[in-house]
Amino acid sequence: SQKIEQNSEALNIQEGKTATLTCNYTNYSPAYLQWYRQDPGRGPVFLLLIRENEKEKRKERLKVTFDTTLKQSLFHITASQPADSATYLCALPNAGNNRKLIWGLGTSLAVNP
Amino acid sequence: KAGVTQTPRYLIKTRGQQVTLSCSPISGHRSVSWYQQTPGQGLQFLFEYFSETQRNKGNFPGRFSGRQFSNSRSEMNVSTLELGDSALYLCASSSRPDSYEQYFGPGTRLTVT
Repeated sequence: SQKIEQNSEALNIQEGKTATLTCNYTNYSPAYLQWYRQDPGRGPVFLLLIRENEKEKRKERLKVTFDTTLKQSLFHITASQPADSATYLCALPNAGNNRKLIWGLGTSLAVNP
Repeated sequence: KAGVTQTPRYLIKTRGQQVTLSCSPISGHRSVSWYQQTPGQGLQFLFEYFSETQRNKGNFPGRFSGRQFSNSRSEMNVSTLELGDSALYLCASSSRPDSYEQYFGPGTRLTVT
């Protein structure tokens, strides 16, 4: 069955550094992958979508890569700020129905001033 | 534009009771999806509605049901509550079924005792 793995351990970095979060998936080839941000007590907020034919996508300080050979996506936040502290979730479409998303458990990021 | 709203925000019920949760999508959005979020399982897709019709359904028992009204507002119902139903229930709306960008509400925190 499909599986998504994200770093389970919290990531602590210093303000100004680049944060890199990993999303690995198994057993299928998704047409796209999404990244979301979730703050405590709130719903996820959509950040970026990258399609299988795109190697990299950028949005302001965010960069996402999608390696379909390694079955991995990397999510980078450059020049990180304390306000970037949150849990970051990756989501992929279900193999049988790409309108149903399956989600990783998320990685908690803490950016220290 | 107002965001996705969910009511109530918090709910405490006892085993065996039933509960109805409500979601109002962003104005103009006609597609509504529901998710259950727990620490151990992460976000799991419940169902998706568009134009009052259920388009997709996740792997949840029949105790979980939903509906959508002509104004796109949606409700989900859980009957015969179990302790394991304690979770954050999230609603997300999108402008159309083929749009992959979803906008989440703040969720309803359901506690079953």
